[in-house]
Amino acid sequence: AQKVTQAQTEISVVEKEDVTLDCVYETRDTTYYLFWYKQPPSGELVFLIRRNSFDEQNEISGRYSWNFQKSTSSFNFTITASQVVDSAVYFCALSEAMNYGQNFVFGPGTRLSVLP
Amino acid sequence: DGGITQSPKYLFRKEGQNVTLSCEQNLNHDAMYWYRQDPGQGLRLIYYSQIVNDFQKGDIAEGYSVSREKKESFPLTVTSAQKNPTAFYLCASSIAGGGGQETQYFGPGTRLLVL
Repeated sequence: AQKVTQAQTEISVVEKEDVTLDCVYETRDTTYYLFWYKQPPSGELVFLIRRNSFDEQNEISGRYSWNFQKSTSSFNFTITASQVVDSAVYFCALSEAMNYGQNFVFGPGTRLSVLP
Repeated sequence: DGGITQSPKYLFRKEGQNVTLSCEQNLNHDAMYWYRQDPGQGLRLIYYSQIVNDFQKGDIAEGYSVSREKKESFPLTVTSAQKNPTAFYLCASSIAGGGGQETQYFGPGTRLLVL
């Protein structure tokens, strides 16, 4: 069975600090996909990144970076020099290739508050 | 502009009443999904549809019904059988279903409250 754990329920940082959001997943599939979404106060989930299980390269996009490590089943997300606009709930999600239903399993989310 | 629209933004339901949440997409996506989000929790799948005139139950389908008569539309009905309907409902779509690799894109959500 697939499962996603985000152990940090809430994180508060001061603007310009770096912050890392943790995501640990469980799956028996060898081919799977990992996602991060941002949910600002407006409620809509905004897609940030997709990573497949065969690509362990870290990715950087502006102030965002992702560290995928299969050995520890983790897909962590780091925001560098955080800004108030980064305040949101962040969800990590997993989808298995053998899952015909395209079912995502979402973690419980981490609420990030960036204080000015 | 391509995207997913959901209406209404807020919906109030009386006891014993069925209500329908609208979801429309103009992304030409084949697959559509309905999720429920409760405060402080992640998303749980209610129903999904890979193609027109076909849909499957998700993890928490009891008390809900859907239809998929058009590719662009996937309305969700919350029936009186759903005893605890107060939640935030999110609709999503993806290019195709199956294989797990397709990114799901989300609408702005509908917040349902019981009077």
